[in-house]
Amino acid sequence: EAGVTQFPSHSVIEKGQTVTLRCDPISGHDNLYWYRRVMGKEIKFLLHFVKESKQDESGMPNNRFLAERTGGTYSTLKVQPAELEDSGVYFCASSLQQGFSPLHFGNGTRLTVT
Amino acid sequence: DAKTTQPNSMESNEEEPVHLPCNHSTISGTDYIHWYRQLPSQGPEYVIHGLTSNVNNRMASLAIAEDRKSSTLILHRATLRDAAVYYCILHMKTSYDKVIFGPGTSLSVIP
Repeated sequence: EAGVTQFPSHSVIEKGQTVTLRCDPISGHDNLYWYRRVMGKEIKFLLHFVKESKQDESGMPNNRFLAERTGGTYSTLKVQPAELEDSGVYFCASSLQQGFSPLHFGNGTRLTVT
Repeated sequence: DAKTTQPNSMESNEEEPVHLPCNHSTISGTDYIHWYRQLPSQGPEYVIHGLTSNVNNRMASLAIAEDRKSSTLILHRATLRDAAVYYCILHMKTSYDKVIFGPGTSLSVIP
């Protein structure tokens, strides 16, 4: 089966611009998560979708970040306007069901804000 | 989620076994012990999980202390491809299955 795919793999934008990251989970996975790692820090949870509904968005840093998952398939994470501290690697993960189904991660999108 | 403590880094020689320790003295009775790893330039990857009994799969073994306050991830024969950051994570049964990452252990494998 195809794994979790993220697009783009790299993005370089200027401060104040908008960027949209996309995640395609494994087909049939209802759970979708966004994480990010900023330079020198640990991987941090951002939010969790169950199908198209936001289950937990406690990790979203501020209202410049907007995540959507229309139709319960792929998800987008938009940063508008981007700030320097938003630079990092953004990971998406999906899992088959709640409980203890392991998370399957994509290889991430490296975002650089200059 | 309960806290875990891991060494910052470890080294191993290629083709030798590696024992990666994890302390979780505040573990509750319903916490599962999960291990993930992150290879360079990749996303994290699930390795193994367990509750009380030792577990084996094709990637590794998980040895859990009788009091569950510590566990050890065992790679039976380290390869260069096993060089990664290994994360020991406690997952509360009562929470949704988001995974909370700590700093992990950076494993270097020496040829």
